[in-house]
Amino acid sequence: ETGVTQTPRHLVMGMTNKKSLKCEQHLGHNAMYWYKQSAKKPLELMFVYNFKEQTENNSVPSRFSPECPNSSHLFLHLHTLQPEDSALYLCASSQIGQAQPQHFGDGTRLSIL
Amino acid sequence: TQLLEQSPQFLSIQEGENLTVYCNSSSVFSSLQWYRQEPGEGPVLLVTVVTGGEVKKLKRLTFQFGDARKDSSLHITAAQPGDTGLYLCAGSLSGTYKYIFGTGTRLKVLA
Repeated sequence: ETGVTQTPRHLVMGMTNKKSLKCEQHLGHNAMYWYKQSAKKPLELMFVYNFKEQTENNSVPSRFSPECPNSSHLFLHLHTLQPEDSALYLCASSQIGQAQPQHFGDGTRLSIL
Repeated sequence: TQLLEQSPQFLSIQEGENLTVYCNSSSVFSSLQWYRQEPGEGPVLLVTVVTGGEVKKLKRLTFQFGDARKDSSLHITAAQPGDTGLYLCAGSLSGTYKYIFGTGTRLKVLA
């Protein structure tokens, strides 16, 4: 079984819709991350959760709302998104600490109409 | 804003050739990682380097961390089509646990 599982793999939504992305890790890690990957731009860190507490919000617009109910699950709630939000959203997990490897899921490809 | 620049951005080579990918920054990193990402998948960690001047080898891949811990290189010997993918470097700043990702190098190895 994949260590980090993301659902759905693909999502098409209108600008007025509300949807959620889900991430689950089976690796016993205590940190989880949301990244945005757009064409021609570096992978952008959005949010970091350590032991379920949000420790990083990289100036992300409020139309993205993360939720981490426990150290194994991470959600990204989406509402009133813009076309420029179309991208691949990647979830990752790791142990907390320096030089810890991040394990990524395969991402959700999001398209905003 | 810290920035990790990778070069080249794109590289298309024949099977059997050697290549080097560079990752440069003006910032000092406490550690640096290299990932490979294939289409439709998330990045997969290849290596972590933590000491200035460190060299690590993974089969045909050789990774080096600069002495000043501001830059790194990835050298592939005798490239194979299976090496095709997006190569990403990621640096961690001292005192933080988060990684800043590089701009990426897209490699295509032709059979």
